[in-house]
Amino acid sequence: NAGVTQTPKFQVLKTGQSMTLQCAQDMNHEYMSWYRQDPGMGLRLIHYSVGAGITDQGEVPNGYNVSRSTTEDFPLRLLSAAPSQTSVYFCASRLTSGSYNEQFFGPGTRLTVL
Amino acid sequence: DAKTTQPNSMESNEEEPVHLPCNHSTISGTDYIHWYRQLPSQGPEYVIHGLTSNVNNRMASLAIAEDRKSSTLILHRATLRDAAVYYCILTSGNTGKLIFGQGTTLQVKP
Repeated sequence: NAGVTQTPKFQVLKTGQSMTLQCAQDMNHEYMSWYRQDPGMGLRLIHYSVGAGITDQGEVPNGYNVSRSTTEDFPLRLLSAAPSQTSVYFCASRLTSGSYNEQFFGPGTRLTVL
Repeated sequence: DAKTTQPNSMESNEEEPVHLPCNHSTISGTDYIHWYRQLPSQGPEYVIHGLTSNVNNRMASLAIAEDRKSSTLILHRATLRDAAVYYCILTSGNTGKLIFGQGTTLQVKP
C-alpha cells in the first residue's frame, strides 16, 4: 500500500490563481479530510468527507472547495488564492468516521501564495 | 468539540521515561482520547488511543484517569527520534473529527 499520497509536494501561486491539491489513498478508507498548518501552529480542519458523495465543512472552510466522487480521491480546490492561504496542507484518511479509528496522514503540500 | 489542555513544552533525557499530561475536563462519555505526534517536517502519525482503560502498544502507553478528565502518554524510554510535537485529541460522534490543539513540544537531550 502506498498509503496517503499528495501532489504536488511544493507549489508557488500568484494571488488570484486557482489550483487543485490532489490527495489519494489506496486503503479503501471511507473517511478523508484536509488540514492546513501555519508556521508554529497546530493543524486546522478545512473539509472532511465520510464517504463518496458526502462532504462537510471543518473549522476553516472559506476559500476552499472539495468534492468526493470516488472513495480513493479527495481533491482540495483553491478558487482564488490569497497570501493568507500560504501554509502546509495535509490530507488524511481513516477506515470509517468512527472515533476509534487510527488516522493516516499524507506527507503534505507546501503552498506559497505571492 | 471538547477541548484539551497540554503544556507547551517538555524536556527529557535520552533513555529515560517521559510522561506527557493532557487535561480534558469537559470530556463526554463517548469521546475517545487520541494521541498523535508530528516529527519535524512530516505529517502527524498515530501513537495510541483509548476510551476508558489504560492501553499499551509498541510505541507507548496511555494512562486514563478514573474520571476520564485527564490522561497521560507514557514513552517508556525516550530516544532522540521521539523529539516531536505531541497532540492529545478527543474525538466523538459520527463525524469523528480530529480537532488539533497546540500540542506539547518534546525535546529529548542526549
